[in-house]
Amino acid sequence: AQSVSQHNHHVILSEAASLELGCNYSYGGTVNLFWYVQYPGQHLQLLLKYFSGDPLVKGIKGFEAEFIKSKFSFNLRKPSVQWSDTAEYFCAVNAGTSGTYKYIFGTGTRLKVLA
Amino acid sequence: ETGVTQSPTHLIKTRGQQVTLRCSSQSGHNTVSWYQQALGQGPQFIFQYYREEENGRGNFPPRFSGLQFPNYSSELNVNALELDDSALYLCASSLPGDRGDTQYFGPGTRLTVL
Repeated sequence: AQSVSQHNHHVILSEAASLELGCNYSYGGTVNLFWYVQYPGQHLQLLLKYFSGDPLVKGIKGFEAEFIKSKFSFNLRKPSVQWSDTAEYFCAVNAGTSGTYKYIFGTGTRLKVLA
Repeated sequence: ETGVTQSPTHLIKTRGQQVTLRCSSQSGHNTVSWYQQALGQGPQFIFQYYREEENGRGNFPPRFSGLQFPNYSSELNVNALELDDSALYLCASSLPGDRGDTQYFGPGTRLTVL
């Protein structure tokens, strides 16, 4: 069965520290990969996505992620976090075709950035 | 602001009852998906509707059903409620032709089953 694993459930960092959140997925076919973010009191929103082309994708607020097909990974990175990056981050995959479509989220990583 | 709205915001039901949750998609979006998010978990895909037809389904029993209307609003119906159905239910819409199918989420409906 398809699945998405996020390795870190809680991460605490100081401002200006570098961030890397791990994400691995299991699915044998073509996938689209996403990172979504939920800031406190806000809706889930897209941070960045990969569907083809350059495996290094850049998103909003200085985030980037690298798709490594051989490792089934899509790790999220930011060189220097800010207090405002405190949020919950979800990795997601969508796969399948019409009639068999699925969209699978990981369990999320809560990031707390200390000022 | 995503433009996806959901109603009601909160709902309390008892075991065995039926519930209907509603979603209004963002303007121009013809695809809607429903998710269940239990406390401390990521959203779990229930199903997706495209042009009023179910387009895919997650591992949820048939007592979870949906409808999409011509104006792209939609409903999630859950029959024979169980305690484990207590969760945040999220609706998300997406743009036709969006490569990658970005989901635009609503604020959710918090369902409590007693």
